[in-house]
Amino acid sequence: GQSLEQPSEVTAVEGAIVQINCTYQTSGFYGLSWYQQHDGGAPTFLSYNALDGLEETGRFSSFLSRSDSYGYLLLQELQMKDSASYFCAVRGAGTALIFGKGTTLSVSS
Amino acid sequence: DTGVSQNPRHKITKRGQNVTFRCDPISEHNRLYWYRQTLGQGPEFLTYFQNEAQLEKSRLLSDRFSAERPKGSFSTLEIQRTEQGDSAMYLCASSLGSGGSNEKLFFGSGTQLSVL
Repeated sequence: GQSLEQPSEVTAVEGAIVQINCTYQTSGFYGLSWYQQHDGGAPTFLSYNALDGLEETGRFSSFLSRSDSYGYLLLQELQMKDSASYFCAVRGAGTALIFGKGTTLSVSS
Repeated sequence: DTGVSQNPRHKITKRGQNVTFRCDPISEHNRLYWYRQTLGQGPEFLTYFQNEAQLEKSRLLSDRFSAERPKGSFSTLEIQRTEQGDSAMYLCASSLGSGGSNEKLFFGSGTQLSVL
């Protein structure tokens, strides 16, 4: 089966940089994804890593190390609107995406 | 592209009743997923379709749950004999299902079920 571990909460101030870590266990591995969900909203796709290394998309970057079964989401120049829950997700031997329990990010001024 | 549409947005029912939810995916997407989410948790996978074929079903899914996608377009999720533990947000998602884009799921706004 699959399991994912990520911190439950992270707090930061506007303008700061925050890193949300994710470790996973899966039988077979087809990539690590990140999703953002605001309160009352639907999860929305942020990034996807299939290979080792860093993927950058604007203020957000995502990193993957397959040998360590580890990845992280890096959020730079934090803004109040970044306050949300962030989920890492893996696709293992099956084709369904399995989500972690999520990290609640609170950004204060 | 109107996005993934789910109906109803909210459903309140009494324990023991049956409920049915509908999901209309993005039109060109061939994969459709159902997830369930409770407060403070991540989306929990329920089942998945490729076109009209149900290809995967969570081992945690009770026999009271059934899903269909009869023409490979919209899908319905039915819960029979609802229990209070079924109270959750039921999310539908769709994807193109080809190569790397397989990982990009587009979610609907969900149906919030409350079982009294």
